[in-house]
Amino acid sequence: DVKVTQSSRYLVKRTGEKVFLECVQDMDHENMFWYRQDPGLGLRLIYFSYDVKMKEKGDIPEGYSVSREKKERFSLILESASTNQTSMYLCASRVSLGGTVTFSGANVLTFGAGSRLTVL
Amino acid sequence: AQKITQTQPGMFVQEKEAVTLDCTYDTSDQSYGLFWYKQPSSGEMIFLIYQGSYDEQNATEGRYSLNFQKARKSANLVISASQLGDSAMYFCAMREGQRRKLIFGQGTELSVKP
Repeated sequence: DVKVTQSSRYLVKRTGEKVFLECVQDMDHENMFWYRQDPGLGLRLIYFSYDVKMKEKGDIPEGYSVSREKKERFSLILESASTNQTSMYLCASRVSLGGTVTFSGANVLTFGAGSRLTVL
Repeated sequence: AQKITQTQPGMFVQEKEAVTLDCTYDTSDQSYGLFWYKQPSSGEMIFLIYQGSYDEQNATEGRYSLNFQKARKSANLVISASQLGDSAMYFCAMREGQRRKLIFGQGTELSVKP
């Protein structure tokens, strides 16, 4: 029962190509996230979306854009891929935390299996 | 400034022994949450355990426990009776106050020896 699906497990692209990474969740979650994972740096947040058509920049948004036209789908776009964007990309989703600070183990992120992108 | 610091890039432990993975954090918020995730070689992140800043007791989930020392701003993960299947990357993460995003540390690669 896969809950967060990333369409491509491995991609190889050329410098300058436009790259789409797709993520779909079937849990009716409001919040979705794109992280980038690099050795020694851990996971760094690129963008997140807290609702349909809503997005917010993370810590490293440069060179990336996102699209969330439907609740279940969150796409990461590399307008012109560069070699320094070679990385593992992880998508995640979560229920909305609402307007109050509610800390619960249920508010964890559910991750996809990741997309390993190589830009030549 | 690094908000979440994991100072052990790699750790080895003998099967059936206990191991502690270190995590320190930096926040000025009074309300925050701390998470640990496991990432096996397959790549998928698996949630292990959660600790809220107001929780008075250390969190436990089966063989996992979180040694939460608020004054020291540390949230170490303790795995008891290590198994070969525990070999993986482990990430500590924090969410501050009402901020939506989760901040991750650099990760620790744990190898369990038979």
